[in-house]
Amino acid sequence: DGGITQSPKYLFRKEGQNVTLSCEQNLNHDAMYWYRQDPGQGLRLIYYSQIVNDFQKGDIAEGYSVSREKKESFPLTVTSAQKNPTAFYLCASSMDLGTQYFGPGTRLTVL
Amino acid sequence: AQSVSQHNHHVILSEAASLELGCNYSYGGTVNLFWYVQYPGQHLQLLLKYFSGDPLVKGIKGFEAEFIKSKFSFNLRKPSVQWSDTAEYFCAVNALRDYKLSFGAGTTVTVRA
Repeated sequence: DGGITQSPKYLFRKEGQNVTLSCEQNLNHDAMYWYRQDPGQGLRLIYYSQIVNDFQKGDIAEGYSVSREKKESFPLTVTSAQKNPTAFYLCASSMDLGTQYFGPGTRLTVL
Repeated sequence: AQSVSQHNHHVILSEAASLELGCNYSYGGTVNLFWYVQYPGQHLQLLLKYFSGDPLVKGIKGFEAEFIKSKFSFNLRKPSVQWSDTAEYFCAVNALRDYKLSFGAGTTVTVRA
């Protein structure tokens, strides 16, 4: 079954802690993306990666970090420097510059 | 950088009514245009897209959209909605050869049975 998986579905974290969100795809897509979704603001791009071992900042990269060591995986770390991390996080992938396909998302809540 | 504006925050309709959601973007160059839909509890999924060619594009579930270049618009339409069309709809744009996709704020559509 091809697609994008994100884990966990729900994540709770205490203030001051780093947390890593997982994103895996078996679509053989080269490009992967992380978005943040907040009510009334649509999706905003955090980071994206066109190929393995390369990634670029999106519009709201501050307080986040990523790695792309494997084509299938693009984990996102929400660091303690992110001032308002409570949000719904979506991972996506695409074949080159084609249509982006989205995972089911992870809802992060900071307690 | 491009920006995307969706005119309506929340639309409430009765079944069988027609739906039109507005989307305008600001970018002077060639763009790719998308409408995505997020049904309650489901993944964000592609409704339709425009890359080039016929400016009237048809998507899944009876939706269509028209690209009007002179108006920088890509409005989504459906002639007769169903209760199952209740969802949040997002317009998105990227410049040609750009990986970065810009989204509108989204329109919540509620269809009353």
